[in-house]
Amino acid sequence: NAGVTQTPKFRILKIGQSMTLQCAQDMNHNYMYWYRQDPGMGLKLIYYSVGAGITDKGEVPNGYNVSRSTTEDFPLRLELAAPSQTSVYFCASSFRSETQYFGPGTRLLVL
Amino acid sequence: DAKTTQPPSMDCAEGRAANLPCNHSTISGNEYVYWYRQIHSQGPQYIIHGLKNNETNEMASLIITEDRKSSTLILPHATLRDTAVYYCIFDSGGSNYKLTFGKGTLLTVNP
Repeated sequence: NAGVTQTPKFRILKIGQSMTLQCAQDMNHNYMYWYRQDPGMGLKLIYYSVGAGITDKGEVPNGYNVSRSTTEDFPLRLELAAPSQTSVYFCASSFRSETQYFGPGTRLLVL
Repeated sequence: DAKTTQPPSMDCAEGRAANLPCNHSTISGNEYVYWYRQIHSQGPQYIIHGLKNNETNEMASLIITEDRKSSTLILPHATLRDTAVYYCIFDSGGSNYKLTFGKGTLLTVNP
């Protein structure tokens, strides 16, 4: 099993550009999550999903959108990138509400 | 919000036991204590969790006080690869699977 995979590993965006961060898991987990981590800080939950077609906001959802059309994939969309969205983004998955498994992260720099 | 208090940093000599404390005085009866760690900006990695009994696995032991207001993560023989930020987190299991990460404890294992 590859576990949780994220692409790209690193990206530079200009202010106002859009992009989609990809996340996929092959563990047949029904729950998936997106977190962001700013330098020196803990992780903050952006959005989560408890199954295909079901998503909900976390602690810091503004400026982001998600969709969950399949069990495996949970993409995160940034519509109008802002410098405040410079961060490391982690995707995670779990079987129901049990242990979360994290991907390697995507480093995003908005200039 | 589920709040935990951890020391910002600790040192440990290689080969010795590392004891990482966590205070969680507001924890409620159905909330599990989870420990994750994050090695050098990689995705967080699950270590162990417990409700009220002490727990042990191949990575660590978790000691929870009888009143459940604090816990200690024990790495019995720390190695240089255990240098990481360790997070102590509440999780209400079935009703609240949204982890709240604080700043954690930076454990530095010295040769």
